[in-house]
Amino acid sequence: AQSVTQPDIHITVSEGASLELRCNYSYGATPYLFWYVQSPGQGLQLLLKYFSGDTLVQGIKGFEAEFKRSQSSFNLRKPSVHWSDAAEYFCAVGAYQPKLIFGTGTRLQVFP
Amino acid sequence: EAGVAQSPRYKIIEKRQSVAFWCNPISGHATLYWYQQILGQGPKLLIQFQNNGVVDDSQLPKDRFSAERLKGVDSTLKIQPAKLEDSAVYLCASRSNTATEAFFGQGTRLTVV
Repeated sequence: AQSVTQPDIHITVSEGASLELRCNYSYGATPYLFWYVQSPGQGLQLLLKYFSGDTLVQGIKGFEAEFKRSQSSFNLRKPSVHWSDAAEYFCAVGAYQPKLIFGTGTRLQVFP
Repeated sequence: EAGVAQSPRYKIIEKRQSVAFWCNPISGHATLYWYQQILGQGPKLLIQFQNNGVVDDSQLPKDRFSAERLKGVDSTLKIQPAKLEDSAVYLCASRSNTATEAFFGQGTRLTVV
């Protein structure tokens, strides 16, 4: 069955600290992987995506993610978190005609 | 470029009432999606349109939910009658035929009391 697991429901970090949000997927075919961010009361904004090629992908707002096929993971990272990064982050998996399957999300809280 | 527009932003109704949501996708986007996002969960696809045809409605509760996309542009999602468990944010998204990612609207937050 196709699924996405985000093990961490809630993460709290201090501003300036590094961040890693975990994502594991189960998908029968070659996956297309996405990270979206959702601020309160807003829709989903695409941070980055992976289809093929270099397994380390760069996104907007200083985020990056690394695809590891052997671990079925696509973890999101940022070297230094800003207070404005506080939001909910969703990992999603799909195919070329994306019917996206989303994880349950990780809520990021940033302390000054 | 204008984004995906949705209305209303918020709606409160009593159970057993009906409600409709409207979505205007990005101009030229052939694919339109409706997602349901229950509090604390990730979005779940309800229905996908390609132009004005339905591609996937396997997770749409058809006994109470309906959706249409007349002329392949705007779309409406209707719930009749609403249940308490329909309380959620309903997100509309659209995608062009040449892109792999979808763009989301701000959503409609429905509260059924």
